[in-house]
Amino acid sequence: AQSVAQPEDQVNVAEGNPLTVKCTYSVSGNPYLFWYVQYPNRGLQFLLKYITGDNLVKGSYGFEAEFNKSQTSFHLKKPSALVSDSALYFCAVRDKGSARQLTFGSGTQLTVLP
Amino acid sequence: EAGVTQFPSHSVIEKGQTVTLRCDPISGHDNLYWYRRVMGKEIKFLLHFVKESKQDESGMPNNRFLAERTGGTYSTLKVQPAELEDSGVYFCASSTGGDRGGNTIYFGEGSWLTVV
Repeated sequence: AQSVAQPEDQVNVAEGNPLTVKCTYSVSGNPYLFWYVQYPNRGLQFLLKYITGDNLVKGSYGFEAEFNKSQTSFHLKKPSALVSDSALYFCAVRDKGSARQLTFGSGTQLTVLP
Repeated sequence: EAGVTQFPSHSVIEKGQTVTLRCDPISGHDNLYWYRRVMGKEIKFLLHFVKESKQDESGMPNNRFLAERTGGTYSTLKVQPAELEDSGVYFCASSTGGDRGGNTIYFGEGSWLTVV
């Protein structure tokens, strides 16, 4: 079985400050990891993914995420937050060895304060 | 290039009625998925088509839900009869063929269903 945990329902950060949205995962084999963002009343938009190789993955809009195998984490980060980054962020995992479907975390609402 | 498109974007129906959601995947994408998020809970997998064949329908909640993919192109998801607990947002997604798990899955805007 595969699962994802996003321990924070809500993250608030001031504009210009760095932001981190946390994600930990559990799979039986090696993971494929993804981050998606949902702006209000919109669909899920792909941000970035980790497949293999460099543990630091860079994605859209200045976001990046670091894969940490020992801690089974894939935290989303951005050096300087913008008010327009305010949205709902979802981490997702697929087990390389078995399941084809994405398993999502419960989502983290990010609010960037001006 | 057009993304994944879904119709209708919003639907309000009465309990016991039928609703059909349509999804047009990105052109050339053999893999088509349905997911849903109900009552603000987690996004859950419903089923996966490869072309016109159902590859995995383990997430379908019950036999009130029927999904089809005509000719391996667009897909429909019918809920009949709808119940209150079916309210939520239904996402369609697609990815390129030969999916080995690392392919990016692109999602549509969602169909927001309210059952009253």
